[in-house]
Amino acid sequence: KQEVTQIPAALSVPEGENLVLNCSFTDSAIYNLQWFRQDPGKGLTSLLLIQSSQREQTSGRLNASLDKSSGRSTLYIAASQPGDSATYLCAVRGGSEKLVFGKGTKLTVNP
Amino acid sequence: EADIYQTPRYLVIGTGKKITLECSQTMGHDKMYWYQQDPGMELHLIHYSYGVNSTEKGDLSSESTVSRIRTEHFPLTLESARPSHTSQYLCASSQTGLQNSPLHFGNGTRLTVT
Repeated sequence: KQEVTQIPAALSVPEGENLVLNCSFTDSAIYNLQWFRQDPGKGLTSLLLIQSSQREQTSGRLNASLDKSSGRSTLYIAASQPGDSATYLCAVRGGSEKLVFGKGTKLTVNP
Repeated sequence: EADIYQTPRYLVIGTGKKITLECSQTMGHDKMYWYQQDPGMELHLIHYSYGVNSTEKGDLSSESTVSRIRTEHFPLTLESARPSHTSQYLCASSQTGLQNSPLHFGNGTRLTVT
């Protein structure tokens, strides 16, 4: 059974800092890995999707990497801003239609 | 911007009442999903659908039921609400035929059963 773990559970950084969020998964047989952002009381917004054949994806200040063999992904946020404060969730998709989610990392960027 | 809508946003209801949570999407997606999320916890899939007249149960056992009579509409019903049903319910959709299609989420319905 696929399990997804995100470390740390919470992170507080000063504005402008570069940071890395971690995601690990137990079964390397995945189709893709997706990073989401969730603001309080809201749904999830898709940030980046990495296919199993890819090593990384970039969007603006965000860069996500995938090492399928070791079961790890990282989300790198450059020059963090207070508006980046949110919970970041990682999810992996295996052979079924189902995404398995981690519990998320709650990020606070202090002005 | 994803166009997937959930109503109501918040619902407080007494035990034993029947409720329906609405979800609609205007993107023409065939696949739709319902997830349940408790505070600080991961999302759990409770129902999904591949298209009209298709519904499947997810990983998390749920007393709710769903229907898919129209492509754009995927309502979730609780026949008799209980306090244990208190949670956030998130609806999502994705494009058919693309295994690497991202999931688009609505803003969720926060349900409280008293």
